[in-house]
Amino acid sequence: RKEVEQDPGPFNVPEGATVAFNCTYSNSASQSFFWYRQDCRKEPKLLMSVYSSGNEDGRFTAQLNRASQYISLLIRDSKLSDSATYLCAAKGNAGNNRKLIWGLGTSLAVNP
Amino acid sequence: DVKVTQSSRYLVKRTGEKVFLECVQDMDHENMFWYRQDPGLGLRLIYFSYDVKMKEKGDIPEGYSVSREKKERFSLILESASTNQTSMYLCASSGGGLGTEAFFGQGTRLTVV
Repeated sequence: RKEVEQDPGPFNVPEGATVAFNCTYSNSASQSFFWYRQDCRKEPKLLMSVYSSGNEDGRFTAQLNRASQYISLLIRDSKLSDSATYLCAAKGNAGNNRKLIWGLGTSLAVNP
Repeated sequence: DVKVTQSSRYLVKRTGEKVFLECVQDMDHENMFWYRQDPGLGLRLIYFSYDVKMKEKGDIPEGYSVSREKKERFSLILESASTNQTSMYLCASSGGGLGTEAFFGQGTRLTVV
């Protein structure tokens, strides 16, 4: 089982829809989590960090559920420009906290 | 703004050549990483470094080596390029501590022919 798992999708949604992605992690000692966005043939860029229960930034909300060991990303009022791959990452525990453990990504296509 | 710069966007090399990929960051970050990214396989860690002259193997170090002589620069070396090393290579850096995210360079698309 991979340490960080995501549903690869693709998720195809109409403009204006609300879409949610989940990401599960296996290391219960992971302390911090991140959602990145990656456009086709570009580098990943940070979308949101999640340290405690959750974080909100405009149309984007990230939540952490430690009991069930998953984080989620909710996108409200989807725009065409939200089409991308969304990568989830977890940072290791104190003994190995320098590197991020990555999911394979979830592909989102927002359609007109 | 944090800047991570990779020396080339596109490279074409011949099988057997020695290939150097350079990465420079300007934020005094402790940690630097080299990944390769292939369709369906996600980001795979090749090597990382948490200090000058320090390096640790990632998940797929075979066929690669690294060098970190200065804090801001982390080089990836393909000792003898092979066609199965054709890929997108991404360099990243991050500060110390649990909450610090990684910043990526623009990527180098390497083709080995």
